[in-house]
Amino acid sequence: QKEVEQDPGPLSVPEGAIVSLNCTYSNSAFQYFMWYRQYSRKGPELLMYTYSSGNKEDGRFTAQVDKSSKYISLFIRDSQPSDSATYLCAMKLPNTGNQFYFGTGTSLTVIP
Amino acid sequence: SAVISQKPSRDICQRGTSLTIQCQVDSQVTMMFWYRQQPGQSLTLIATANQGSEATYESGFVIDKFPISRPNLTFSTLTVSNMSPEDSSIYLCSVARGGGAETQYFGPGTRLLVL
Repeated sequence: QKEVEQDPGPLSVPEGAIVSLNCTYSNSAFQYFMWYRQYSRKGPELLMYTYSSGNKEDGRFTAQVDKSSKYISLFIRDSQPSDSATYLCAMKLPNTGNQFYFGTGTSLTVIP
Repeated sequence: SAVISQKPSRDICQRGTSLTIQCQVDSQVTMMFWYRQQPGQSLTLIATANQGSEATYESGFVIDKFPISRPNLTFSTLTVSNMSPEDSSIYLCSVARGGGAETQYFGPGTRLLVL
């Protein structure tokens, strides 16, 4: 079983829709949760960072962590064509300098 | 955050040759990482480059194939040696931020095609 599972999509939605992206994980010790956005031919860009459980909101983006279910989500409200990208989730254990675990990424297209 | 640049942005190389990728950061960082990203796969950590010491390689990656230099706190290089078509991939450098290196920031990547 992979440490982090992410549906690769592709996901296609109309402009203005609410998008839900999800990852599940197997290691209950993960404490740090991140979402990266990667545009075509670019490196991943840190979008959201959450420590432990709960929600975090930043503009149109909301990150949720449900540690009891080992499930994290990224919601995008009022999606825009500029949100079209691949979204990668990532997780990290505490006190481990370089052990990040990435999902395979979900490809999202927002249709005008 | 961090501003990271990589050179070259892309290259097409012949089998058996070597390519050195440069990574420059706009501020001093302790840890720099090199990743490989292949289509449909998650990011795979190749090695951690620490200034003043040997790089730490992950399982499946060896120094002879992927030698790394880290001459100072803002710069690192990754060499892909004796290349084969299987080395065709995107190579990314990243740096860690936060007291416990909780988050990473990535460079734009180097797209390598080996013929």
